[in-house]
Amino acid sequence: DTEVTQTPKHLVMGMTNKKSLKCEQHMGHRAMYWYKQKAKKPPELMFVYSYEKLSINESVPSRFSPECPNSSLLNLHLHALQPEDSALYLCASSQDQGANEQYFGPGTRLTVT
Amino acid sequence: GEDVEQSLFLSVREGDSSVINCTYTDSSSTYLYWYKQEPGAGLQLLTYIFSNMDMKQDQRLTVLLNKKDKHLSLRIADTQTGDSAIYFCAKGGGYNKLIFGAGTRLAVHP
Repeated sequence: DTEVTQTPKHLVMGMTNKKSLKCEQHMGHRAMYWYKQKAKKPPELMFVYSYEKLSINESVPSRFSPECPNSSLLNLHLHALQPEDSALYLCASSQDQGANEQYFGPGTRLTVT
Repeated sequence: GEDVEQSLFLSVREGDSSVINCTYTDSSSTYLYWYKQEPGAGLQLLTYIFSNMDMKQDQRLTVLLNKKDKHLSLRIADTQTGDSAIYFCAKGGGYNKLIFGAGTRLAVHP
């Protein structure tokens, strides 16, 4: 099973709202990733968690706050977002951070109004 | 810095072979990946090759690597309409970051 699940599939939020994106994998992977993808562009890395600890933050604004409650779950907390943050948010996992294949979830389509 | 480049668009007839090309700048040993993204969906890992290999075949997919020219290609045999998607070439970078190309949109027509 190489499945990464993400909820919700779609999310519309106002600029004053607080919401969370969720990601789950049951492959025993110890590295998990958040990416942002704008239309017609490749994914851009936001955060990497390795063994439940944040190992990479690609200078992401603090209105995005990641959390890794356990080795299977990854959350992305959203607060005071801007319309330009509207994008597809993708979660991925890999066996560990030094390993190779990253498996992606289907994404959450976020619209900020 | 590291860079991965792809042509942006490819149009093929159903049943023909498709060849999607990718070039990269950094020659350090690593894995090179092909991902497929259908509209509104996430990225699906299709196949990958280690940089000390020349070729890898997996059913309809053939990956060729020219290490001297830093050129990677993905050949899809007997292309079907379900193969219409964006194909991303990616290179493993430091800390297992993926360096993505811009993506090649493959259009399959009857």
